[in-house]
Amino acid sequence: AQKVTQAQTEISVVEKEDVTLDCVYETRDTTYYLFWYKQPPSGELVFLIRRNSFDEQNEISGRYSWNFQKSTSSFNFTITASQVVDSAVYFCALSGPYNNNDMRFGAGTRLTVKP
Amino acid sequence: DAGITQSPRHKVTETGTPVTLRCHQTENHRYMYWYRQDPGHGLRLIHYSYGVKDTDKGEVSDGYSVSRSKTEDFLLTLESATSSQTSVYFCAIEQGTGNEQFFGPGTRLTVL
Repeated sequence: AQKVTQAQTEISVVEKEDVTLDCVYETRDTTYYLFWYKQPPSGELVFLIRRNSFDEQNEISGRYSWNFQKSTSSFNFTITASQVVDSAVYFCALSGPYNNNDMRFGAGTRLTVKP
Repeated sequence: DAGITQSPRHKVTETGTPVTLRCHQTENHRYMYWYRQDPGHGLRLIHYSYGVKDTDKGEVSDGYSVSRSKTEDFLLTLESATSSQTSVYFCAIEQGTGNEQFFGPGTRLTVL
């Protein structure tokens, strides 16, 4: 069975600090996909990134970066120079090689960025 | 914007009453999903559909049924609502080549 663990329930930082959100996953599939979603206080779910299991290159998008390490089954998300608008609940998710009928989400990490 | 709407956006109902939530998409996506979101659990899959009249159960399907008579509409029904079904319900479609899912705005359901 697939499982995603986000051990950090809540994180609070001051604006301009860097923050890393941890995500650890378990799967028996050799092909799989990892995702991060953002849920701001308004409640919608915003897709941030997808990574497949064969692509271990780290990715950077502006202030956001993702570190995928198969050796430790982790897919961590770092926000550099955090801003108040980054305050949200962030979810990590894992799906198998086909469609998403087996998609598993972590419990989420609530990030609060204080001015 | 994946063109997904959900209705109603908010609903309060009483235990034992039937409830139907609607998900509507405008871009002809084949795969559609219903999730519930509860504190401490993230999102959990209730049911999904892989085409018109083709549906299957997800992780937490007990107490729920679905129907998909048209590509654009995916209905979630609670035959007899219980307080444990108080939750936020999200519909999603699958788009892209890498299983990306995009979500509707959600429906907040309260069962008293």
